[in-house]
Amino acid sequence: DAKTTQPTSMDCAEGRAANLPCNHSTISGNEYVYWYRQIHSQGPQYIIHGLKNNETNEMASLIITEDRKSSTLILPHATLRDTAVYYCIVRVARGTGKLIFGQGTTLQVKP
Amino acid sequence: DAGITQSPRHKVTETGTPVTLRCHQTENHRYMYWYRQDPGHGLRLIHYSYGVKDTDKGEVSDGYSVSRSKTEDFLLTLESATSSQTSVYFCAISEGTSGTGEQYFGPGTRLTVT
Repeated sequence: DAKTTQPTSMDCAEGRAANLPCNHSTISGNEYVYWYRQIHSQGPQYIIHGLKNNETNEMASLIITEDRKSSTLILPHATLRDTAVYYCIVRVARGTGKLIFGQGTTLQVKP
Repeated sequence: DAGITQSPRHKVTETGTPVTLRCHQTENHRYMYWYRQDPGHGLRLIHYSYGVKDTDKGEVSDGYSVSRSKTEDFLLTLESATSSQTSVYFCAISEGTSGTGEQYFGPGTRLTVT
């Protein structure tokens, strides 16, 4: 599975959009980009995933560059409850489903 | 939220004693996973199962064994607990090959080995 690079931490003002970047320059053609987050002491929570098209669900939007070497998770209106560690993971969709977690980005939403 | 429960949620045990953690799902998903999370290491995969009685090792499997006799239950056993196994343990489930790869996690078990 491809390795990802994320900033260690980011701040965002409450009510503003939070844009979390992820680099995955060695991604393969059959690998998807998945985003999870972990709110303090809780189990990780699946947010969204995509292959090459931009995706949107009730939680977030995922923008993947045309060359697929990077992506951005967008929380359109961040709230204090979005303060968490956000993990970007690249892997194939099928198969055993093993996830390899990096250190992620700690997003602090401030009032 | 996915129907995943873990028991116990907290446990304190002594070095050398056996410990079994239970993960129970109501989603009938094929794949189940055990991860541990420690400060500075993030989440690391211990073992996973791809069906009843079908299991395989993850990246940190030494000192752990697992069993899955029913689709809904995945047990993690520490045969002889050590202080290095003090951690938070998370169970996860996934549809696997029939799904699109997302995993759903349980609330975690905090284990302290004294």
